[in-house]
Amino acid sequence: GQQLNQSPQSMFIQEGEDVSMNCTSSSIFNTWLWYKQDPGEGPVLLIALYKAGELTSNGRLTAQFGITRKDSFLNISASIPSDVGIYFCASTSGSRLTFGEGTQLTVNP
Amino acid sequence: EAGVTQSPTHLIKTRGQQATLRCSPISGHTSVYWYQQALGLGLQFLLWYDEGEERNRGNFPPRFSGRQFPNYSSELNVNALELEDSALYLCASSLGGRQDGETQYFGPGTRLLVL
Repeated sequence: GQQLNQSPQSMFIQEGEDVSMNCTSSSIFNTWLWYKQDPGEGPVLLIALYKAGELTSNGRLTAQFGITRKDSFLNISASIPSDVGIYFCASTSGSRLTFGEGTQLTVNP
Repeated sequence: EAGVTQSPTHLIKTRGQQATLRCSPISGHTSVYWYQQALGLGLQFLLWYDEGEERNRGNFPPRFSGRQFPNYSSELNVNALELEDSALYLCASSLGGRQDGETQYFGPGTRLLVL
């Protein structure tokens, strides 16, 4: 089946630092989504990307849909303690949502 | 606007029992999806319902089943519970009617513990 390779698996950063994570796949996708999940909660949609090359921002978050349609990255600028959580990339194929393995982000005050 | 809601928030069962989990989609959404997230693992696709019909199914045994009601709410049933069924079960909804590219919005999940 289709797989999304997400990296890094975990990140430990200081408050105020910028963060970058990415997802790659051997398959072409039409949509890239980035979610954040807090412990015991459902994932919350952060950014949705629908076109190759698309660059979208949501506050301190910026995500891009790769030109090859096989990758995407998410950047978080000037991190704050509440950015802590697991970030998942996801992509759709036939309405089945495939998730990356997640990036666990820890922000030290 | 209310988001996706799920009930119960927590459920404790013993091996061999049946569990029923419920989901109400965002108003206006016709597609409902179910996912399993075991501890420390990613989200695994279980089922997709749209307009009352099962449209797609993940790699799970038949004891995982469900249905969608005329008001688009959905139930997930897990029969003959096994210890490894312990997980967070997430429901998501989307507008429906399209084959690909729909954004899914998640509920808070039901934490199922099988003893």
